[in-house]
Amino acid sequence: QVQLVQSGAEAKKPGASMKVSCKASGYTFTDSYIHWVRQAPGQGLEWMGRINPSSGDTNYAQNFQGRVTMTRDASITTAYVELNRLRSDDTAVYYCARTYCSGDSCFFHFDYWGQGTLVTVSS
Amino acid sequence: EVVLTQSPGTLSLSPGERATLSCRASQSVSSSYLAWYQQKAGQAPRLLIYGASSRPAGIPDRFRGSGSGRDFTLTISRLEPEDFAVYYCQQYGSSPLVSFGGGTKVEIK
Repeated sequence: QVQLVQSGAEAKKPGASMKVSCKASGYTFTDSYIHWVRQAPGQGLEWMGRINPSSGDTNYAQNFQGRVTMTRDASITTAYVELNRLRSDDTAVYYCARTYCSGDSCFFHFDYWGQGTLVTVSS
Repeated sequence: EVVLTQSPGTLSLSPGERATLSCRASQSVSSSYLAWYQQKAGQAPRLLIYGASSRPAGIPDRFRGSGSGRDFTLTISRLEPEDFAVYYCQQYGSSPLVSFGGGTKVEIK
């Protein structure tokens, strides 16, 4: 069965960097996009960007341009998100999620999600 | 930029009642690109509806999605105790590539 398993919670100081991983299993990793979505405490969902695990191509949301980097290691079917110059308002649960592709056709919804990783930014 | 506005912010209903949730887009969205999610406290979102009206396997048929253009609706025909949660709509394909509505909380009256 499809699973996305994320790394554990992190506590960071303002100005530091975070890196969260998302280990995929149960499907062909390079066939489907991995997206990152975050949720601040008590708030809604915010899309950060996506990576094509096959090519490594990325698309980032405007709000995160210049601070976010998404990468992948296809050999271990794992995607990563790194966010730099952390601020207190980056405190959030970070989710990875999949949009499924089959051949040349891709779907436009998130069918599987990771369990979420809480990143707390505080001095 | 496509902005999704969900209403109402909170819906107070009793089990067995019908819930009607609205998602309005600032510009037209293809039905293929509109999805709904349910999120319970401490959990990741769960896909309920994709392509505006299709249900994934395992989603009960009391959940129904409809709409086109700028206006989309999620209807829960008869609320079960496990349906009290927050619901988000999501669009894909217009700038930004992905955006979510602000959510509607369905709470027990």
